[in-house]
Amino acid sequence: AAGVIQSPRHLIKEKRETATLKCYPIPRHDTVYWYQQGPGQDPQFLISFYEKMQSDKGSIPDRFSAQQFSDYHSELNMSSLELGDSALYFCASSWPTHSGNGEQYFGPGTRLTVT
Amino acid sequence: AQTVTQSQPEMSVQEAETVTLSCTYDTSESDYYLFWYKQPPSRQMILVIRQEAYKQQNATENRFSVNFQKAAKSFSLKISDSQLGDAAMYFCAYSGAGSYQLTFGKGTKLSVIP
Repeated sequence: AAGVIQSPRHLIKEKRETATLKCYPIPRHDTVYWYQQGPGQDPQFLISFYEKMQSDKGSIPDRFSAQQFSDYHSELNMSSLELGDSALYFCASSWPTHSGNGEQYFGPGTRLTVT
Repeated sequence: AQTVTQSQPEMSVQEAETVTLSCTYDTSESDYYLFWYKQPPSRQMILVIRQEAYKQQNATENRFSVNFQKAAKSFSLKISDSQLGDAAMYFCAYSGAGSYQLTFGKGTKLSVIP
C-alpha cells in the first residue's frame, strides 16, 4: 500500500539558511499534518491543512510557513534556521475529516541538522 | 488544553511475557480518540492501536490490547507474548474529534529481554 512520502530524508543546513521540506500524502487523503520531534522528545504538532486550507496551528515558529497545494502535497518552509531547529520533521496524512476515524499515517520523517 | 501523561519513562519485559504501559490524559471534550504509537530505532511512527472515546469496548489488535477507563481518563496498553521486535519507544496520543492534531505523551521506552 502507498505510504506518506517525505523528501528529502536528510538535510544539513547552516545557521540562517532556509530549508524546504516536502510531503506527499497517501492518495485520497486530503489532510496533512506536520510535527517536529527534537532529540529525546515527543513529537510536537506544528500545523495542519485540510483541502488546501490551514486547519490548525500549533507551536510553529513565525520563521516557518507551510502550504498545501492542489495535488494535496504540502511543503514546510523554514527560514533563518537556528541550531534548535535540528530535529526530525514528520508529515502525516489522514482521510477526509467528515468520514475519518482520527487515524494519522506518518511518513518516515526528514532529519534536519543545522550546523 | 489537553495533556497526556506517561509516568513510566522506561520498562522492560521478558520475551514471551506480558507488559502493561500506562497513560493518563486530561480533557474537557466528550468526543475524542486515543492512540498508541510505536517508534522503533528507525524513528518511524507506527500506529499500534486506536480507541474511540464513545466506544465502551476496549480495542484489540492481535497481541496488543487496551484498557480504556473513560471516567478515570486512563488508557493503558497491554502487550502479550512480548517479542524482541516489540522493543521501541511507545507514545500515547490524544486527538479531539473536532481538531485532529495529536498531543503525545513523553513516551515509554520498552526493552525486551531475551
